[in-house]
Amino acid sequence: GAVVSQHPSRVICKSGTSVKIECRSLDFQATTMFWYRQFPKQSLMLMATSNEGSKATYEQGVEKDKFLINHASLTLSTLTVTSAHPEDSSFYICSARAGRDLAKNIQYFGAGTRLSVL
Amino acid sequence: DAKTTQPPSMDCAEGRAANLPCNHSTISGNEYVYWYRQIHSQGPQYIIHGLKNNETNEMASLIITEDRKSSTLILPHATLRDTAVYYCIVNHHGNKLTFGGGTRVLVKP
Repeated sequence: GAVVSQHPSRVICKSGTSVKIECRSLDFQATTMFWYRQFPKQSLMLMATSNEGSKATYEQGVEKDKFLINHASLTLSTLTVTSAHPEDSSFYICSARAGRDLAKNIQYFGAGTRLSVL
Repeated sequence: DAKTTQPPSMDCAEGRAANLPCNHSTISGNEYVYWYRQIHSQGPQYIIHGLKNNETNEMASLIITEDRKSSTLILPHATLRDTAVYYCIVNHHGNKLTFGGGTRVLVKP
């Protein structure tokens, strides 16, 4: 149980285009989802936290107008990188936390999306 | 959330126990210790967590010192597939996870 599916696994796009990444909790309801970014040889950096039905909370330095997050249902959150540029190339990872696991604070992670902007 | 200190890397032999240390000397009374690992080019995977008692599950054991200022993750019989970066994270329930540098573990045949 506790499977998080992330799609696509890899995307290559031209500079200036927008890219949408989906994150789905397959066998549980995710009251909270998280989006991380990881550059080569670095650790994961939290970008934003989203709760179902409410606006996402962005970490300091993350542009909310560039990284649009939607958490419209208890099983789906999307991250849209708008007007992507080469510096946005990175490994984007989502995670989900079930309401029942709030007390344990266990997050289940997707496999990640490698974005390359040409 | 309390800061953690882990060795940047360590090697271990396949089939032997791997003992991964973590220092969290500023941990507060209601903060938990979590361990995740990240295999290359994948998302992190939850391993185990604990408050003050030692914990064991199908993946690993977590030993927390009595003063809670340090802990050790034990992989009882390391396999080549256990090669990964292991993250020790300390925080309160419900807080966001903050990933540090972790320990890069290389299991050698």
